[in-house]
Amino acid sequence: ETVLTQSPGTLSSSPGESATLSCRASHSVSSTYVAWYQQKLGQAPRLLIYGASRRATGIPDRFSGSGSGTVFTLTISRLEPGDFAVYYCQLFGSSPLYTFGQGTKVEIK
Amino acid sequence: QVRLQESGPGLVKPSETLSLTCIVSGASMNDFHWGWIRQPPGKGLEWIGFIDYGGSTNYNPSLQSRVTISLDTSNDQLSLNLSSVTAADTAVYYCARHAMEFEYSSSSFYYYMDVWGKGTMVSVSS
Repeated sequence: ETVLTQSPGTLSSSPGESATLSCRASHSVSSTYVAWYQQKLGQAPRLLIYGASRRATGIPDRFSGSGSGTVFTLTISRLEPGDFAVYYCQLFGSSPLYTFGQGTKVEIK
Repeated sequence: QVRLQESGPGLVKPSETLSLTCIVSGASMNDFHWGWIRQPPGKGLEWIGFIDYGGSTNYNPSLQSRVTISLDTSNDQLSLNLSSVTAADTAVYYCARHAMEFEYSSSSFYYYMDVWGKGTMVSVSS
């Protein structure tokens, strides 16, 4: 089983700043199998990034993903009020077939 | 626009079977996998399993002995049954479309969940 570890657990930032979230896999994985989701309080997760760096339909270019091997990063530029949420990385191909990281909460400083 | 809507009882007694339905609208159920994810209160996401159009399933090993996912394509409906529930099964349950995209230029597959229902809260309590 490949474990995904997200850091930090909580990130405090101010609107207009950038935020960098990390997702580390316990084994090297294909970047095409990595996705990122945003979950606002009381809402379902929303797909942001797939294939480690491809933005999903309708996602603004303030959201960018990168990484390979065991370390993947989600960067949010120019934070807006609606960006304060919990972010999850997700991996396909391990056992179970889909696994999620434990999440990073981005909160207003 | 693709929409998924979960429904089912909000309260289930311990040892009984949790049964949920997800209605899919705005899309054909062909060419995608359809599955379930759950989230206990205040915790993270746990993938439960999925089913393809042909009826093949893949389940989380931690739940495999208790879970059944089925598809009724004539009614655009996805179902989840989870047997012998305990308080640990209390969660918001989401249905989601599982996309598997092949890019010919790079011969790469991409796997992600691109459409989610709003979720339904299920509590297990006597």
